[in-house]
Amino acid sequence: RKEVEQDPGPFNVPEGATVAFNCTYSNSASQSFFWYRQDCRKEPKLLMSVYSSGNEDGRFTAQLNRASQYISLLIRDSKLSDSATYLCVVNKANSGYALNFGKGTSLLVTP
Amino acid sequence: NAGVTQTPKFQVLKTGQSMTLQCAQDMNHEYMSWYRQDPGMGLRLIHYSVGAGITDQGEVPNGYNVSRSTTEDFPLRLLSAAPSQTSVYFCASSRQGENYGYTFGSGTRLTVV
Repeated sequence: RKEVEQDPGPFNVPEGATVAFNCTYSNSASQSFFWYRQDCRKEPKLLMSVYSSGNEDGRFTAQLNRASQYISLLIRDSKLSDSATYLCVVNKANSGYALNFGKGTSLLVTP
Repeated sequence: NAGVTQTPKFQVLKTGQSMTLQCAQDMNHEYMSWYRQDPGMGLRLIHYSVGAGITDQGEVPNGYNVSRSTTEDFPLRLLSAAPSQTSVYFCASSRQGENYGYTFGSGTRLTVV
């Protein structure tokens, strides 16, 4: 089983839509969880950390379910500028602070 | 702040050549890492460091060396370049502690011919 698994998509949604991405991770000892955004041919950029209680940043909401080893990202009121690849990231337990990246989910928001 | 600076941005090497990819950060971050990104493979960890003088291997360390003599710098050395090392290389740094995500440099696009 891969350490971090995501549906690669692509997700094609109209502007204003709500879209949700899911991610599963294999190591139950992992403690740190993130969503990153990567634009084409650019570096990944931190979108938000994910906390056990769930957290929200504007139009973005992240949830963590430790029992199911499942992470989600919800984007409300999608904008054209949200088009990117979204990477689910989990730390490597017992390996300092190295991170495992999912392969990413591609989102295209259309007018 | 410049953040994480990688040089060069682009490089073409011949098989068997060696080179060093430079990475510097000015945020006094303890943690630094090197990743490579290939189509369909996602980001894979090459080497990482939790502080000056301390390095460890990631999942794809073969063919690469690192050292961390200062907090700021974390160079990646390709010992004898191979076409399989054609990739985009990202350096990243982070503060110590959980829930501090990494800040990435803009990457080095390396082609080995």
